[in-house]
Order: sequence, then structure tokens, then C-alpha cells
Amino acid sequence: NAGVTQTPKFRVLKTGQSMTLLCAQDMNHEYMYWYRQDPGMGLRLIHYSVGEGTTAKGEVPDGYNVSRLKKQNFLLGLESAAPSQTSVYFCASSRGQIFRNQPQHFGDGTRLSIL
Amino acid sequence: AQTVTQSQPEMSVQEAETVTLSCTYDTSESDYYLFWYKQPPSRQMILVIRQEAYKQQNATENRFSVNFQKAAKSFSLKISDSQLGDAAMYFCAYRSAASNTGKLIFGQGTTLQVKP
Repeated sequence: NAGVTQTPKFRVLKTGQSMTLLCAQDMNHEYMYWYRQDPGMGLRLIHYSVGEGTTAKGEVPDGYNVSRLKKQNFLLGLESAAPSQTSVYFCASSRGQIFRNQPQHFGDGTRLSIL
Repeated sequence: AQTVTQSQPEMSVQEAETVTLSCTYDTSESDYYLFWYKQPPSRQMILVIRQEAYKQQNATENRFSVNFQKAAKSFSLKISDSQLGDAAMYFCAYRSAASNTGKLIFGQGTTLQVKP
């Protein structure tokens, strides 16, 4: 029972490098989310998706892009990494609006350091 | 826009004692959902308890209960008989019932220390 799986768990990048974080869920959830967690700021929403092929900006989208080509996968891309993007990144998924009282399920996070 | 505030960055409690973590929120909506998540050092985000705004009865889950004061926009978490395994960061979160995005708005988090 995998739930939400994030790859990789840790990564160190140099400024200007690019990378993609992968999120996969096996619960057939409609909604998927990418958050970043920084000390004293809780979790802030980067981008989200309410269905396959659709994405939207969250609270802090600058410097990130996302894609959801398949329902079970949600990719977060950093085109040109900056030190300000050093953070812990969480992916989450949830059922659709009809089940809006249901919680989001989270992956174990990716610790990303930009040097 | 909705906001969630946790005004206690750190709290501590003696093992077997009771502790209450505070959470306030700001919204103009009448229907919404509130959640408490626990994040232990393993970094997992674990759902502790949820409350539906239209339900007046406070939610309880074993040793965890909430004090939901809708008029005051307050949603505190009470942990009874604290255990060493309760040590973690706790996040309060808000979800609009009207929005079709399911987005959560999180508070800043409270780090709970449990002393043996």
C-alpha cells in the first residue's frame, strides 16, 4: 500500500541546474498538490492539479513548473535552481470535490539543497 | 483570502500530562473543514483529527480532541495523557468547502516537546 511516493528523497543542486521531482499516487485521486516547507512558514502551495492534463498556480509558483500527463503522476520542475528554492518539498493527493471532507495524503518529502 | 495562525512556535508538556495547541483562522465562509496534522522527525505528515464546520460537536480521536469555537474562529488541539511519541511538529490546516480545488491553507506549525 504505497500511497504517495516522492522521488528522490534528497538532492543537492548547484545554482542554475535543473531537475524534476516526481510524485506518484496509487489511490486514484483526482487532486494533486506540491507544497514547500520552510522553517516558521508552514507548508505553502506551489502548484496544484484538479485532474489529468490540468494544472494551476498556488501561493508561491515562481521558479517552478508542473505537469500532469497521467492521473497518477504529478511532476515538479525547477528550470534554473536558485538558493531560495532550498526547502523540503511535499507532494499530496486527495479525492475530488464530492469527497471534500476527506484529508490530503502526503508523500514523505524531498529535501532539496541549492548551493 | 483565508489565513491560519498558530501563535505558539514551541510548546512542552510532561509525559502523561495534557497540553493544548492553539490555532485561529480567518475566513468569511460558513462551510469549511479544519485539520490537524502531525509531523514527527521522520518528516511524514500524519492526519491527527478533522472537524467539519457545520458540526457543532467537537471531534475526538482517542487521546486527541479539539475545541472548535466557530464564532471565535478558533480550533485548538488537546492532547491528553501525552506520550513520548507525541513529540512532533503539529500543523493546523483549513480547507474551503466551496472551492473545487481542495487546497489546504496551513498555519506556521507548533513544535511539541514531551518531557519524560
